[in-house]
Amino acid sequence: GAGVSQTPSNKVTEKGKYVELRCDPISGHTALYWYRQSLGQGPEFLIYFQGTGAADDSGLPNDRFFAVRPEGSVSTLKIQRTERGDSAVYLCASSLTGTSGRKTDTQYFGPGTRLTVL
Amino acid sequence: KNQVEQSPQSLIILEGKNCTLQCNYTVSPFSNLRWYKQDTGRGPVSLTIMTFSENTKSNGRYTATLDADTKQSSLHITASQLSDSASYICVVSAGFNKFYFGSGTKLNVKP
Repeated sequence: GAGVSQTPSNKVTEKGKYVELRCDPISGHTALYWYRQSLGQGPEFLIYFQGTGAADDSGLPNDRFFAVRPEGSVSTLKIQRTERGDSAVYLCASSLTGTSGRKTDTQYFGPGTRLTVL
Repeated sequence: KNQVEQSPQSLIILEGKNCTLQCNYTVSPFSNLRWYKQDTGRGPVSLTIMTFSENTKSNGRYTATLDADTKQSSLHITASQLSDSASYICVVSAGFNKFYFGSGTKLNVKP
């Protein structure tokens, strides 16, 4: 497809379990972003990749959250020992080059993965 | 503290009417400001992007304005349609790849 895709669309898990959320960015986009969106709120930045490396992971809430992008395309967000407070929609976005200084670069968002921790 | 605040939180208007959504920010150093439209259950879609030197940008019936001095932006929707019902999110970028999102304005256009 031409857009950003995310799988699964919905994930229900139990407290304490491990989950992986996948993002397929637009082909050729070097920048990839993960966000978390709680109900009624705007997205909250988690991590940004430029190519294979995490250029900024300052938004990850704690060490239970980790993300990888080993080949510079698909990315996986991993959450260990899930807690009920992790329940949210996890959005992924990609852009062609990533914003740098005052240059502009449109981010294209996927539909999100709705994570529910029981 | 870097913050983006949007108002109103929600808005109901009749089809065909105009409306204006507000965004105030305290983000520094300012890089650019974006408005996104987010339909329920979907990811946000970019409407406009403005750098500090641009004070207005249009995309069809959507017109965004930016006052970098007062750190305010607005999104004006002309001749609203039912399909405009969505959340509108203001995003301010600071420096290199730092993005600050507002909580959004939920717009409901009624027939």
